[in-house]
Amino acid sequence: DAKTTQPTSMDCAEGRAANLPCNHSTISGNEYVYWYRQIHSQGPQYIIHGLKNNETNEMASLIITEDRKSSTLILPHATLRDTAVYYCIAGGSQGNLIFGKGTKLSVKP
Amino acid sequence: GAVVSQHPSRVICKSGTSVKIECRSLDFQATTMFWYRQFPKQSLMLMATSNEGSKATYEQGVEKDKFLINHASLTLSTLTVTSAHPEDSSFYICSASLAFYEQYFGPGTRLTVT
Repeated sequence: DAKTTQPTSMDCAEGRAANLPCNHSTISGNEYVYWYRQIHSQGPQYIIHGLKNNETNEMASLIITEDRKSSTLILPHATLRDTAVYYCIAGGSQGNLIFGKGTKLSVKP
Repeated sequence: GAVVSQHPSRVICKSGTSVKIECRSLDFQATTMFWYRQFPKQSLMLMATSNEGSKATYEQGVEKDKFLINHASLTLSTLTVTSAHPEDSSFYICSASLAFYEQYFGPGTRLTVT
């Protein structure tokens, strides 16, 4: 699985968009980009995934660069409940996710 | 959405005893379940992949004789920590795969070995 690099922490004002970057420069052609988040002392929650195209669902948008070496998760209107550690994972379709250290997002009022 | 439960949520056991943790997918069948471990202020570490009706696949460095995994049905996987020691104290989390890209995680089990 490709290694990912994310900022250790980020702050975002409540109601504003949160843009979380992820670098996955060694991603291979058949590896997906997955985003999960973990609120303190809970199990992680699936957010979104993508291969080449940008994706959007009810939780977030995923923007993947054309060379697929990086991506950005966008939470369009962050709320206090979005405070969590966000994990960007680049991996295959076997389902065995390798979690990195993630980005600790703090949404502030 | 799909729900995964774990039991117990917390357990304290004495050194040398064994502890069993259950992971259930409540409203879907999961051919594959995963077990993770998370130490304080660290990320999740994949321990093993569990496929229904077959032996689990363990990640490098995880002792299969210490962490026994059984996936007897499409809705239940169990992790037994045998001869537990204080260094096994951790947050154990399971997940069940609904599709290859979407895993649903349980709420976790906090194990404390005294």
